[in-house]
Amino acid sequence: QVQLQESGPGLVKPSETLSLTCSVSGGSITTYSWSWIRQPPGKGLEWIGYIYYSGSTNYNPSLKSRLTISVDTSKNQFSLNLNSVTAADTAVYYCARRITMVRGYERYYAMDVWGQGTPVTVSS
Amino acid sequence: DIQMTQSPTSLSASVGDRVTITCRTSESVSRYLNWYQQKPGQAPKLLLYAASSLQSGVPPRFSGSGSETDFTLTISSLQPEDFATYYCQQTYTLTFGGGTKVDIK
Repeated sequence: QVQLQESGPGLVKPSETLSLTCSVSGGSITTYSWSWIRQPPGKGLEWIGYIYYSGSTNYNPSLKSRLTISVDTSKNQFSLNLNSVTAADTAVYYCARRITMVRGYERYYAMDVWGQGTPVTVSS
Repeated sequence: DIQMTQSPTSLSASVGDRVTITCRTSESVSRYLNWYQQKPGQAPKLLLYAASSLQSGVPPRFSGSGSETDFTLTISSLQPEDFATYYCQQTYTLTFGGGTKVDIK
């Protein structure tokens, strides 16, 4: 049973870098791709980006200029770095596994295993 | 960018009711649409992918339909554990809908 666990500081100062790590247990990180999603307090979900174990990434265009997602296969972890943060980056941050389902000639993608989420507040 | 519109934003229903939630996209996403359920204080849970395929372990009272720009999530007989917020997500550009909160009437 794959489990994901986010870790990192719960408080980040404005203009600094938000850094989080997602540890994958119960399975290899080299089998799937891996996502970050966030949810501001009382609001909906926002996809941040995903990474393949090879290191190939896809980022939300609205965050791309400030975002780096990386993977460490030796530690079975992947990480998020978001720089120049503001109060608008305050949210619960989730990591999730991104799986592929094949139906006929089509490939469909979804996030089927999620971490519990970690709250991050941006404040001085 | 593909815009997502979920409706209603909230609804009140009773146990046993049939509930339908709609998700509309601003351009066609074929069947590249997923539905998630989120309960307060919990991570989202995948219910359906490819518009109508039930994720393993999800009760069959949940069903999905639609393609191109118009999709629906139906709960055939609402159970106490189904009171939650539901999100659609298209997997072309990975945008989520704004959510539909289902609470007790």
